[in-house]
Amino acid sequence: EPEVTQTPSHQVTQMGQEVILRCVPISNHLYFYWYRQILGQKVEFLVSFYNNEISEKSEIFDDQFSVERPDGSNFTLKIRSTKLEDSAMYFCASSAGDRVFSSYEQYFGPGTRLTVT
Amino acid sequence: KNEVEQSPQNLTAQEGEFITINCSYSVGISALHWLQQHPGGGIVSLFMLSSGKKKHGRLIATINIQEKHSSLHITASHPRDSAVYICAGPPYNTDKLIFGTGTRLQVFP
Repeated sequence: EPEVTQTPSHQVTQMGQEVILRCVPISNHLYFYWYRQILGQKVEFLVSFYNNEISEKSEIFDDQFSVERPDGSNFTLKIRSTKLEDSAMYFCASSAGDRVFSSYEQYFGPGTRLTVT
Repeated sequence: KNEVEQSPQNLTAQEGEFITINCSYSVGISALHWLQQHPGGGIVSLFMLSSGKKKHGRLIATINIQEKHSSLHITASHPRDSAVYICAGPPYNTDKLIFGTGTRLQVFP
């Protein structure tokens, strides 16, 4: 069964460093998402991406964050200068359609645990 | 006030018991997702429904759009059902999911 994959599973970085989290969505999906979950809190939306551009972003997704689909398979989240409060589990998700279509179930990757020290 | 509320926050059960987890939402949403989060953190989609009822194995999800309420039922619960169950939905005219805080279920043998 197709699945969303994410690498690395765990990343430790020092405050101020840049990190890139990688995701490989399901191959025929067109809509891509990043969510994050700070330990003990609920999952929060960061950004959605379609047709090579951001379709929606949250207040969390400030200038320190960027997303890219550099080739036909990868979808990346970059944090330019990490802060302690960026420590969280980051989930990538993909879907075949959006609210206009009948099947827009989002499929989640296993997550990348980011620890900023 | 959270836009998506779940109850209870924590639930313990004996193996074999019938489980119900409730989700209420204040925003208008086009469909509701039930997700399962394992202790390792991974999220698995269980159901997406916009009306009525769906069943998959021992899991049943129902939704009442007018009352903005959904329930997830687990029949004949098993220790392997122990996980956090989360409801989430995209508000109208958006694809982003708004998540509930989750219900932590522990099923004991």
